[in-house]
Amino acid sequence: NAGVTQTPKFQVLKTGQSMTLQCAQDMNHEYMSWYRQDPGMGLRLIHYSVGAGITDQGEVPNGYNVSRSTTEDFPLRLLSAAPSQTSVYFCASSRTGPGGYTFGSGTRLTVV
Amino acid sequence: AQSVAQPEDQVNVAEGNPLTVKCTYSVSGNPYLFWYVQYPNRGLQFLLKYITGDNLVKGSYGFEAEFNKSQTSFHLKKPSALVSDSALYFCAVRADPGYSTLTFGKGTMLLVSP
Repeated sequence: NAGVTQTPKFQVLKTGQSMTLQCAQDMNHEYMSWYRQDPGMGLRLIHYSVGAGITDQGEVPNGYNVSRSTTEDFPLRLLSAAPSQTSVYFCASSRTGPGGYTFGSGTRLTVV
Repeated sequence: AQSVAQPEDQVNVAEGNPLTVKCTYSVSGNPYLFWYVQYPNRGLQFLLKYITGDNLVKGSYGFEAEFNKSQTSFHLKKPSALVSDSALYFCAVRADPGYSTLTFGKGTMLLVSP
């Protein structure tokens, strides 16, 4: 049981480049979300999904796109990378209901 | 809108002493409350949660948390700290029902000295 798998673990981009951060879970969780972690700011929600075909914006959605074509996958796309998007990105999933989230190990992104 | 406050950026405690990491929350309706721990260059690990029932919740690694509805608090505690407990701790809240998002506090760095 792999849980939540994020790839890549590290990435360096040049300003203006685009890329996709991958997230996959094998627990049949309905709920998936993307957070970014910055020093002193905790984790901030970027986008989330309550099921296949349904996505919504979180607290800091600008510059990011998501889609949810399957229950298992929830990729995060950076359309045109900016230095302000340098951060650690975490994907998480959960069942609907009162349970907690299961987190991936994170992607450390640097935009130069 | 829901929110979480962790008033201390850092908590210092000597090994063997009790520790408390504070958390207060704001949410409409019944709260689901969580504590996560993050070790350096790692993801977040679940410690414990409060959903309903007993106000004292026991979790992993000897940690416990006390839910106080009147003070809207969910402080993390441990009777005897270990150096290996040194890490970044996050409190989080999710409102009933379960489709709502999870909101995190800014985190508290716990440093346990030998």
